[in-house]
Amino acid sequence: DVKVTQSSRYLVKRTGEKVFLECVQDMDHENMFWYRQDPGLGLRLIYFSYDVKMKEKGDIPEGYSVSREKKERFSLILESASTNQTSMYLCASSPRAGTGNTIYFGEGSWLTVV
Amino acid sequence: QKEVEQDPGPLSVPEGAIVSLNCTYSNSAFQYFMWYRQYSRKGPELLMYTYSSGNKEDGRFTAQVDKSSKYISLFIRDSQPSDSATYLCAMVTQGGSEKLVFGKGTKLTVNP
Repeated sequence: DVKVTQSSRYLVKRTGEKVFLECVQDMDHENMFWYRQDPGLGLRLIYFSYDVKMKEKGDIPEGYSVSREKKERFSLILESASTNQTSMYLCASSPRAGTGNTIYFGEGSWLTVV
Repeated sequence: QKEVEQDPGPLSVPEGAIVSLNCTYSNSAFQYFMWYRQYSRKGPELLMYTYSSGNKEDGRFTAQVDKSSKYISLFIRDSQPSDSATYLCAMVTQGGSEKLVFGKGTKLTVNP
């Protein structure tokens, strides 16, 4: 089974803190994604990466950065957390030629910024 | 007009009912249509996948795509309490998972 693992399920951070959310996939997928999910707004793409050290902005990249040093690992970084970044964050991965039926999600990371 | 519209519900039905979940979309270039199920505090998991128009059946679930009307449906027969979840439609044009567009999800509760 494909596994996308988000190591931190529940985090509480203070405003202004630097936050790292880590994601690891075990299927040798080229593409990796970070989404955030909010009630009434659905899933919104923050960043995606199609290869090691490559990244592309999604729909809402402001306030976030990412790092992909190894193929299996994709990190989301909040340089200075703010309360409006309180959300559920979902990592996903897919093969390079994925057409939507081959995207796999992690369990989610619930971040509260106080 | 939003690219994908999905009624957020909530939808509450008795056990055994037939459930119909729907999405409409505006981009006629969408070719691949998915339904994801998301249990509370979990990530979405792929439930059904359809390419272009037509029906696809998998056990109690049927996915239907009508490209002429830009309308997709998910039917759940003999609904069970374990079907209680949020259902998200998603669609994409030719290739490119990064271009996946999601509906906002419909929350379904099946009451025993």
